[in-house]
Amino acid sequence: NAGVTQTPKFRILKIGQSMTLQCTQDMNHNYMYWYRQDPGMGLKLIYYSVGAGITDKGEVPNGYNVSRSTTEDFPLRLELAAPSQTSVYFCASSSPGQGLVYEQYFGPGTRLTVT
Amino acid sequence: AQKVTQAQTEISVVEKEDVTLDCVYETRDTTYYLFWYKQPPSGELVFLIRRNSFDEQNEISGRYSWNFQKSTSSFNFTITASQVVDSAVYFCALSEAWRGSTLGRLYFGRGTQLTVWP
Repeated sequence: NAGVTQTPKFRILKIGQSMTLQCTQDMNHNYMYWYRQDPGMGLKLIYYSVGAGITDKGEVPNGYNVSRSTTEDFPLRLELAAPSQTSVYFCASSSPGQGLVYEQYFGPGTRLTVT
Repeated sequence: AQKVTQAQTEISVVEKEDVTLDCVYETRDTTYYLFWYKQPPSGELVFLIRRNSFDEQNEISGRYSWNFQKSTSSFNFTITASQVVDSAVYFCALSEAWRGSTLGRLYFGRGTQLTVWP
């Protein structure tokens, strides 16, 4: 199993450009998440999904959009990139347990710079 | 309100020393989960441990041990006989059983940078 994969690993965007960060998991997990990590800070939840066709906002959703058409894929769209979106983005997935919350498995991250 | 506090921003120790990383959390839920993740210099996040609020037993895994105390809302992490490879940022995280679901919305602390010198 590859686990959670993310592409690209690095990207530089100009202000106002758009891009999609790709995330794929092969563990058949229902739950998927997008986080951002700013320097010296913990991760903050951007969006999450409990299954194909179902998404919802996390703590910091402004400037982002997501979709979930399949169990495996959960792309994150940045529209009109701004310098404040310079960050490292992590995708994660987890499995709904039998009444339990299980650990999330993280992808390797995408380092995005907006200039 | 910040839900997870890791007051130690940076810790430096010399190899073979023991080191404890502190984590204090805040929640109104009676059912919640606590996690520790390791982020080595390569940047990935590595899961270390999960503990639910009903299990206050301390846990030991090799050189790692965790002390969960509900009375003080703390979930501290100790590395015994530290090694250079332990150098990393360590994150404590809280997941509330949101509306009774099994969806884990993680709230992370800011992390503690541990440097182990040879």
